[in-house]
Amino acid sequence: DVKVTQSSRYLVKRTGEKVFLECVQDMDHENMFWYRQDPGLGLRLIYFSYDVKMKEKGDIPEGYSVSREKKERFSLILESASTNQTSMYLCASSLRDTSNTGELFFGEGSRLTVL
Amino acid sequence: AQSVSQHNHHVILSEAASLELGCNYSYGGTVNLFWYVQYPGQHLQLLLKYFSGDPLVKGIKGFEAEFIKSKFSFNLRKPSVQWSDTAEYFCAVNAYSSASKIIFGSGTRLSIRP
Repeated sequence: DVKVTQSSRYLVKRTGEKVFLECVQDMDHENMFWYRQDPGLGLRLIYFSYDVKMKEKGDIPEGYSVSREKKERFSLILESASTNQTSMYLCASSLRDTSNTGELFFGEGSRLTVL
Repeated sequence: AQSVSQHNHHVILSEAASLELGCNYSYGGTVNLFWYVQYPGQHLQLLLKYFSGDPLVKGIKGFEAEFIKSKFSFNLRKPSVQWSDTAEYFCAVNAYSSASKIIFGSGTRLSIRP
């Protein structure tokens, strides 16, 4: 069964702290994504990676960075957390095959609260 | 810029009522269309998708959606809802056939009264 695992379901951090959100997929997918989900705003793409060490900015990359050193792992980094980064963060993966373009497999989410 | 609109933010229905959730997108080219569902406490999962062919597509759990190109719409329907359909529903559009260009609507929360 397809699985995307996010390391932390709930995190509470203080303003200015560095935050790491980890995501691992076991489907050998080329593409991995980080979204944030906020009420009334839907899902907004932060960063996208289409291969190891390759990344592309999404719609809201400011304040975030990412790392993809291995195919199965995609990390989201908040260098200095701020209160407006309090949100639900969703990791997803997909095949590169364009016939499946857009069919994403999601993790359960990481709810981050920044105090 | 491309956008996806879901005009119903919260829909409340009784069991056995019929459901239609609206989704409109703004892009004139070829698109792939999706509905995702997020049940309480669970991860987002694919409900159904349209890539090409028959514009009426069927998904899991009795859901269907109709792609109307002239109206830029991809509305989700179910003839008779159940309490277990309580969830948040997201429409998504993939333009340019590029994995990074997947745009989600703001979501519709569906509450079913038992």
